[in-house]
Amino acid sequence: NAGVTQTPKFQVLKTGQSMTLQCAQDMNHEYMSWYRQDPGMGLRLIHYSVGAGITDQGEVPNGYNVSRSTTEDFPLRLLSAAPSQTSVYFCASEPLDGVQFFGPGTRLTVL
Amino acid sequence: KQEVTQIPAALSVPEGENLVLNCSFTDSAIYNLQWFRQDPGKGLTSLLLIQSSQREQTSGRLNASLDKSSGRSTLYIAASQPGDSATYLCAVIGYGQNFVFGPGTRLSVLP
Repeated sequence: NAGVTQTPKFQVLKTGQSMTLQCAQDMNHEYMSWYRQDPGMGLRLIHYSVGAGITDQGEVPNGYNVSRSTTEDFPLRLLSAAPSQTSVYFCASEPLDGVQFFGPGTRLTVL
Repeated sequence: KQEVTQIPAALSVPEGENLVLNCSFTDSAIYNLQWFRQDPGKGLTSLLLIQSSQREQTSGRLNASLDKSSGRSTLYIAASQPGDSATYLCAVIGYGQNFVFGPGTRLSVLP
């Protein structure tokens, strides 16, 4: 199993650009989520999904969209990048009631 | 709103010492609690998961305890080694499957 994979590892955007961060898992987990990690702020939940076709907002959803068309994939879209979205983004998955597995992260810089 | 704090923020100990990391949370209505390890520039690795009905979990040199009524969890590391150097995060999981992370404790074990 590859576990949770994220692409790209690094990305630089200009303000106003849009992009999609990819996340995939091959463990057939129902629950997937996106976090951002900022110095001094810890990890904060952006969006999550409890299964294909079901998504919901976390603590900091503004400026981000998600969809879950398959169990395996959970992409995160930045609609119009802002410098405040400079962060490290982590995708995670877990079986319901189980241990959470994290991807390696995407380091995003918005200029 | 659930808030999670961790004390201390940073800790430096000589190799071989036993140590305790603390995690506190404000809302005792939790589903479970998880301890993670994060190495610099990497994703998170789950160490221990404690269900809300449990008092403690053990894995090798690690022991985590949970006291829901007082809103506390501790991670005990026995006979620390330089390879234990990392940031340790606790996460509280509510009944909506949402994770709330603490800011982490940065541990350095000196040879």
